[in-house]
Amino acid sequence: NAGVTQTPKFRILKIGQSMTLQCAQDMNHNYMYWYRQDPGMGLKLIYYSVGAGITDKGEVPNGYNVSRSTTEDFPLRLELAAPSQTSVYFCASRGGATNEKLFFGSGTQLSVL
Amino acid sequence: GQQLNQSPQSMFIQEGEDVSMNCTSSSIFNTWLWYKQDPGEGPVLLIALYKAGELTSNGRLTAQFGITRKDSFLNISASIPSDVGIYFCAGQGGFGGATNKLIFGTGTLLAVQP
Repeated sequence: NAGVTQTPKFRILKIGQSMTLQCAQDMNHNYMYWYRQDPGMGLKLIYYSVGAGITDKGEVPNGYNVSRSTTEDFPLRLELAAPSQTSVYFCASRGGATNEKLFFGSGTQLSVL
Repeated sequence: GQQLNQSPQSMFIQEGEDVSMNCTSSSIFNTWLWYKQDPGEGPVLLIALYKAGELTSNGRLTAQFGITRKDSFLNISASIPSDVGIYFCAGQGGFGGATNKLIFGTGTLLAVQP
């Protein structure tokens, strides 16, 4: 069982470039989340999805977009990368609102220079 | 938006000491969770709490759900070097869309000297 798989693990972008962070889970989980973790800070919720075709904003959605065309995949898109988006990004999933166990991917470290 | 304040921000202790950390919220949560993050990894669930006043243990770890439902506490007894990491609290609301989101605290960095 792979769990939650994130790619890439590391990426350096120039200001203004765009990229997509990939996230896939093979546990048939309905709920998926994107968090960012800045140095010395907690995890901030960017976007989340409660099922295919349904997405909603978290605490810090500006500068990001998501889509959920399948249960398995939840990509995070940065359209115009900015230095403020330098962070570690974590994707996570869980079975449902009553299932508290959140499974995390191993993270994507992104630097925008 | 909802804020979870965690304290202390960091702790540097000797092996064998007990550790206490806490998390406070500006709003009520129906579920409190405690996670541990090892370097270079995603957080892993340690303890889940579902009722105000609940006290739950997982080995040397004990967590409590505050009576006001706005706070939670985590204690680690007889710390060992592998306890090193960042500990996060997380809360889940109980109404409408809030049940879909887990809000994380700012984290407590724990360093244990052998």
